[in-house]
Amino acid sequence: NAGVTQTPKFQVLKTGQSMTLQCAQDMNHEYMSWYRQDPGMGLRLIHYSVGAGITDQGEVPNGYNVSRSTTEDFPLRLLSAAPSQTSVYFCASRPTGSYGYTFGSGTRLTVV
Amino acid sequence: TQLLEQSPQFLSIQEGENLTVYCNSSSVFSSLQWYRQEPGEGPVLLVTVVTGGEVKKLKRLTFQFGDARKDSSLHITAAQPGDTGLYLCAGTNSGYALNFGKGTSLLVTP
Repeated sequence: NAGVTQTPKFQVLKTGQSMTLQCAQDMNHEYMSWYRQDPGMGLRLIHYSVGAGITDQGEVPNGYNVSRSTTEDFPLRLLSAAPSQTSVYFCASRPTGSYGYTFGSGTRLTVV
Repeated sequence: TQLLEQSPQFLSIQEGENLTVYCNSSSVFSSLQWYRQEPGEGPVLLVTVVTGGEVKKLKRLTFQFGDARKDSSLHITAAQPGDTGLYLCAGTNSGYALNFGKGTSLLVTP
């Protein structure tokens, strides 16, 4: 079982560039989420999905898009990268009927 | 956003000592979780508590959920260097949105 796989592990972008952070899970989990982790701010929810075709905004959604066409995949798109989006991004998933999430190992993004 | 305050922020102790980390909120949560995170990795779930007053044990770690479901504590007995890491508490009411505390960074030296 691979769990939650995030790619890439590191990325440097120039301001204004777009990119997609990939997230895939092989546990057939219905719930998937994206968080960003910043020093002094903790982990904050960007977007989440309760199943294929269903997504919603979290606490800090501006500048990010998501879609969920399959149960396994939940990509996060940065439309036009800004230095304020420099952060570590985590994808997480959980099955229905359980509260605990499984996290990926993160993508460290730097926007210059 | 429902705020979770963790204390202390940093803790440096010697191997064999006991410690307690606190997670407090003014809001009620239907469940509260504790995670441990190591550098360069994602958080790893340690425990979920859902009932007020609940106590769960995981080897040398003891977790307690407050009677009013607004606070929780993590007690480590006889800490070991392998316990070093960032301890995060997270509360939820919806099940899909976790509200995280800022974490307690623990260093256990031999």
